[in-house]
Parts: sequence; C-alpha cells; structure tokens
Amino acid sequence: TQLLEQSPQFLSIQEGENLTVYCNSSSVFSSLQWYRQEPGEGPVLLVTVVTGGEVKKLKRLTFQFGDARKDSSLHITAAQPGDTGLYLCAGDPPAVSNTGKLIFGQGTTLQVKP
Amino acid sequence: GAGVSQSPSNKVTEKGKDVELRCDPISGHTALYWYRQSLGQGLEFLIYFQGNSAPDKSGLPSDRFSAERTGGSVSTLTIQRTQQEDSAVYLCASSSRRNNPYEQYFGPGTRLTVT
Repeated sequence: TQLLEQSPQFLSIQEGENLTVYCNSSSVFSSLQWYRQEPGEGPVLLVTVVTGGEVKKLKRLTFQFGDARKDSSLHITAAQPGDTGLYLCAGDPPAVSNTGKLIFGQGTTLQVKP
Repeated sequence: GAGVSQSPSNKVTEKGKDVELRCDPISGHTALYWYRQSLGQGLEFLIYFQGNSAPDKSGLPSDRFSAERTGGSVSTLTIQRTQQEDSAVYLCASSSRRNNPYEQYFGPGTRLTVT
C-alpha cells in the first residue's frame, strides 16, 4: 500500500512569515495534488503537478514535485490569516491512474496569527 | 453552476441504528467517490463509481457499509448497525474523465456522530 507522509502535522506562525509543508513517499505517483480545507467544508483543489521537477506557482504559493515523483512541497510566502486551514496532499498511484482513486496524506493544519 | 451537495450536513444517531447519507454530484460528472475523514486528518477512500461500471468497493471497512448510485447520478452511502468508531465526516467527490489526472470536486461533507 502506498503511503504519503506529511510534515509538519501542525504549524502555527505569525502573519508575514514563510513556511514549507512536505509530502513524502517511498513510492512513485503519476501525479500529485494539493488541497486546502476549511472547517465545515470539503477540500478544494489548489494545484496538480504531473512532471518530475515541476514547479507551479499560485500567487504566494509555490508547489514542487520531486524529480523522482515521490515527494512534493508547498511553500507559502508571507503567510496571511486567510491561509489558515488544513492542507492535504493526495497522490495518484500508477497502478490505478485511470481511476482517480487518490491516496491522501494525513494533512497539515496551518494557523496564521494576525 | 451547482457544486457537489451532500445531505444531511449533520447526523446524530444511536449505536446500532442504520443511517443513509446522500450525495448529489456535479451534473455530467461520471466518477463519484466516497471518503471518510476523522477529525483534522486525511481522507480514507471508501468506494468509487465510474459510469455504469461495477463500483470499486475496496475501501469499505466492513460489510456494514454499502453504497449505490442510481441513474449514474445521486449516490447513497448506507451504514448499518452503526458503531461509535463510525463517527467521522463522510465526504463525497465527483470528477469528469475529461480531466486527466482527475480533479475531484468535494461536497461539504456529512458529520456523523454515533452516540
């Protein structure tokens, strides 16, 4: 069974600070997605990375897929209170890549204090 | 357009009772997924429907769990003889095969509490 390990599990920072969340596995994924979830709501897709070494930017968020497609990172620059939420990475295993069945990490809870 | 909707938003039930959770996917999405999420944790895959194909039930934790999808649209997740460990948020997502890799759109979830 493929697993995704996220770190840290909890992060509390002040507004304006930078942070990085990691998503690691010993297995290869066809693609990897990052979601953000707010309390009482379902996860919302932020980005999908497909190619090893790929870097995508979404305003202050930078996503990177590892060269070997086994890991990914999410970097937030100058965090704002609106960035508060649960960040989830989800991988698409090659064995079931035509199904959309995703394996989710356990999530990183981010709290940004004003 | 309308997103994925789920009902009820909250359900409190007594141990041993049966519950039904409903999911209305985005119109035209052929794939539908059910996940379970414990407090502040990641998502656990339960079951997957794709078009008219037989569902992938490989994630269902026990035979007390079942799901159906009628007319390729609305889905119902049924939990029989609920146990306290069934308490969680149940999330439904849908996606279109036109997206590769599949980008999933989630509903707000049903919070189930078994007392």
